[in-house]
Amino acid sequence: DAGVIQSPRHEVTEMGQEVTLRCKPISGHNSLFWYRQTMMRGLELLIYFNNNVPIDDSGMPEDRFSAKMPNASFSTLKIQPSEPRDSAVYFCASSLARLAENTGELFFGEGSRLTVL
Amino acid sequence: AQSVAQPEDQVNVAEGNPLTVKCTYSVSGNPYLFWYVQYPNRGLQFLLKYITGDNLVKGSYGFEAEFNKSQTSFHLKKPSALVSDSALYFCAVREYENTDKLIFGTGTRLQVFP
Repeated sequence: DAGVIQSPRHEVTEMGQEVTLRCKPISGHNSLFWYRQTMMRGLELLIYFNNNVPIDDSGMPEDRFSAKMPNASFSTLKIQPSEPRDSAVYFCASSLARLAENTGELFFGEGSRLTVL
Repeated sequence: AQSVAQPEDQVNVAEGNPLTVKCTYSVSGNPYLFWYVQYPNRGLQFLLKYITGDNLVKGSYGFEAEFNKSQTSFHLKKPSALVSDSALYFCAVREYENTDKLIFGTGTRLQVFP
């Protein structure tokens, strides 16, 4: 399996521009997570989908952030308009939530490093 | 709310020596605890987990972790450190039993010196 695939790996943009980050989870996984990592705040969960449905978006910082999962093999995280404080590494992770077995193992992508100037 | 704490920002150890990376937890109900490792410019990788059973859990790359209920700790250990073990280590706890949502600690940077 190719693992979780994220694109782009690096993005440099100017303040006010729209940014779209993409994620392809591992085939067959039914949970998808978007995390943000910064030096100041560490690793923060932004939003979590199960079976393509957003379950918990309490970590989404504000209305400028939105996430979608139109099907089981694709998700996007959009920032519009972007601000310098959004600069971070954004990780997508997927898992196979098997309730009876409670595995809990997340598989992370390599991340998208966003720099907003 | 479930939480984990990693009291050390950085741990330094000489190659060949045993290493310990500390984690304490605060949970209501049964703890589901995890360790992940992050190498530079990479995503996090799963190392090991404690769900139930033996208090000593063995994981990838020779790592193990000891679950201690009385001390609410889940320390990561390795008998003999390698330079290649140098990385950022995260402890995590599952938020609820019926979800894969994990709450991560702040991370501990492990530096192994030759």
